[in-house]
Amino acid sequence: EAGVAQSPRYKIIEKRQSVAFWCNPISGHATLYWYQQILGQGPKLLIQFQNNGVVDDSQLPKDRFSAERLKGVDSTLKIQPAKLEDSAVYLCASSLFRSTGELFFGEGSRLTVL
Amino acid sequence: AQTVTQSQPEMSVQEAETVTLSCTYDTSESDYYLFWYKQPPSRQMILVIRQEAYKQQNATENRFSVNFQKAAKSFSLKISDSQLGDAAMYFCAYMEYGNKLVFGAGTILRVKS
Repeated sequence: EAGVAQSPRYKIIEKRQSVAFWCNPISGHATLYWYQQILGQGPKLLIQFQNNGVVDDSQLPKDRFSAERLKGVDSTLKIQPAKLEDSAVYLCASSLFRSTGELFFGEGSRLTVL
Repeated sequence: AQTVTQSQPEMSVQEAETVTLSCTYDTSESDYYLFWYKQPPSRQMILVIRQEAYKQQNATENRFSVNFQKAAKSFSLKISDSQLGDAAMYFCAYMEYGNKLVFGAGTILRVKS
């Protein structure tokens, strides 16, 4: 079974530039999550989708971050414009059932903002 | 808001020995789930073990077991017969039914040969 795919693995940009991350969840997983993991901290949920609807985006900085999940499968997370404090690893995860807490994570996309 | 605290930023264990990682959490709920996730260097995070709060019996997965103390809001992970492959960042996490997963700050586990 293929795992959660993310790209790019690494991205370096200047502040005020934009960046997009892509995620392809495990086939059949209805729930998709984007987490932000700053160095030395635990992952923080940015947004959670159930199929193509948003379940929770309470911690998403909506003035600069946006996310969509096309047709309930792939998802894209965009940051525009980027700030220095956005430097982090962006983790995508998916789960078969929203209620169980068993998430399957991708390898993450490491963003460095200079 | 629910919080998860891991008070040990880093732990070391000798290969084949046993180590315990600590976790406490804060909640006013009675039904919830607790988890330990493992994040090896440059590899994806994976679920190690899960505990449902309504179950009194502590969860066990091979060499991994938990000590769940509901009244004390404590959830520690014991790794027996430690192996080099156990070296990783370990995250304790909490979730209410159908809600979001909240992670602690993590504990780095180093395994010495």
